[in-house]
Amino acid sequence: EAGVAQSPRYKIIEKRQSVAFWCNPISGHATLYWYQQILGQGPKLLIQFQNNGVVDDSQLPKDRFSAERLKGVDSTLKIQPAKLEDSAVYLCASSSDYSNQPQHFGDGTRLSIL
Amino acid sequence: GIQVEQSPPDLILQEGANSTLRCNFSDSVNNLQWFHQNPWGQLINLFYIPSGTKQNGRLSATTVATERYSLLYISSSQTTDSGVYFCAGSYGNNRLAFGKGNQVVVIP
Repeated sequence: EAGVAQSPRYKIIEKRQSVAFWCNPISGHATLYWYQQILGQGPKLLIQFQNNGVVDDSQLPKDRFSAERLKGVDSTLKIQPAKLEDSAVYLCASSSDYSNQPQHFGDGTRLSIL
Repeated sequence: GIQVEQSPPDLILQEGANSTLRCNFSDSVNNLQWFHQNPWGQLINLFYIPSGTKQNGRLSATTVATERYSLLYISSSQTTDSGVYFCAGSYGNNRLAFGKGNQVVVIP
């Protein structure tokens, strides 16, 4: 079974530029999550989708972050414009549904803002 | 949200030694996962353990849900065990709350 796929693996941009990350969950997984992991901390949930609908985006900085999962499969997370404090690893995870099923994580995208 | 406290924050082990990592939760969680984050940043699932004890090779985990804590045991540690260990509890719509992690270094 293929795992959660993410791209790119690394990204370096200057502040105020925009960036997008892509995630393809495990086949058949209805629930998709985006997390932000700042150096030295545990991952923090940004947004959770169930199929193509948003379940929880309470911690997403909506003035600069946006995410979509239009067809209920793969998802894109965008930052525009980027700030220095957005430097982090962005992790995507999926689970079969949101009834307390284990989450499986992709390898992440390491974002550096100059 | 739920607060997760992990101890000890840092641990240095001689290869072959045993260790115990602890995770405390501020409130009840629906389920609990342990992860190992390797030096390349990959989060590897170790255990999905809402209660009871599970074993996988040299690793085992115990969760006592009524007392809101979980333990991860590493026996006969190897250098490949180095990395950061995270526990995370799920609540609400399967939202995970992570601790700050246990940084483990195993020296040969």
